[in-house]
Amino acid sequence: EDKVVQSPLSLVVHEGDTVTLNCSYEVTNFRSLLWYKQEKKAPTFLFMLTSSGIEKKSGRLSSILDKKELFSILNITATQTGDSAVYLCAVLIQGAQKLVFGQGTRLTINP
Amino acid sequence: GAVVSQHPSRVICKSGTSVKIECRSLDFQATTMFWYRQFPKQSLMLMATSNEGSKATYEQGVEKDKFLINHASLTLSTLTVTSAHPEDSSFYICSAREGISQYFGPGTRLLVL
Repeated sequence: EDKVVQSPLSLVVHEGDTVTLNCSYEVTNFRSLLWYKQEKKAPTFLFMLTSSGIEKKSGRLSSILDKKELFSILNITATQTGDSAVYLCAVLIQGAQKLVFGQGTRLTINP
Repeated sequence: GAVVSQHPSRVICKSGTSVKIECRSLDFQATTMFWYRQFPKQSLMLMATSNEGSKATYEQGVEKDKFLINHASLTLSTLTVTSAHPEDSSFYICSAREGISQYFGPGTRLLVL
């Protein structure tokens, strides 16, 4: 069974801190790994990672994939209260083209 | 990026009634759409894959007679929750595939009384 596991499930930090969110996976037919941010509504896309070792950056957010160890991390530096959300990791399965989601990490940034 | 809409955004209904949710890709054609369900404080669970012009593929444990999916055109898929019960109350989200990207709709919050 395809599985995506995120850790921690919940994280509370102060504004300005740096956080690292983890995502590990065990799937039969890996295509890509995606990170999403979910606030009150549907998830919004952050990154898609397909190749190992290549860091993707967008402002204060960055992410990298390790296909040998089957995990990815999402880093957020200089956190702001607007970063508070649930961060979802998902793996895109080759062939079926379906996304398998992890449980999510609920990030709370306190002022 | 591509836009996907869902309608309605919120629905409250009585137990035993059926509810139809629409998912539309607004500026692209989507041969494949996906329906997810999300219970409070849980992640998205894939319910089914909807393919234009053919029967949907349901995930294990999802009743196809209860959650009817119709993908009648390249821009529209509908999910009908038949004879809804309080335990069907959830956040239903669709996504539409364009290439290897998936674009999510804003979701439909269903409350069954």
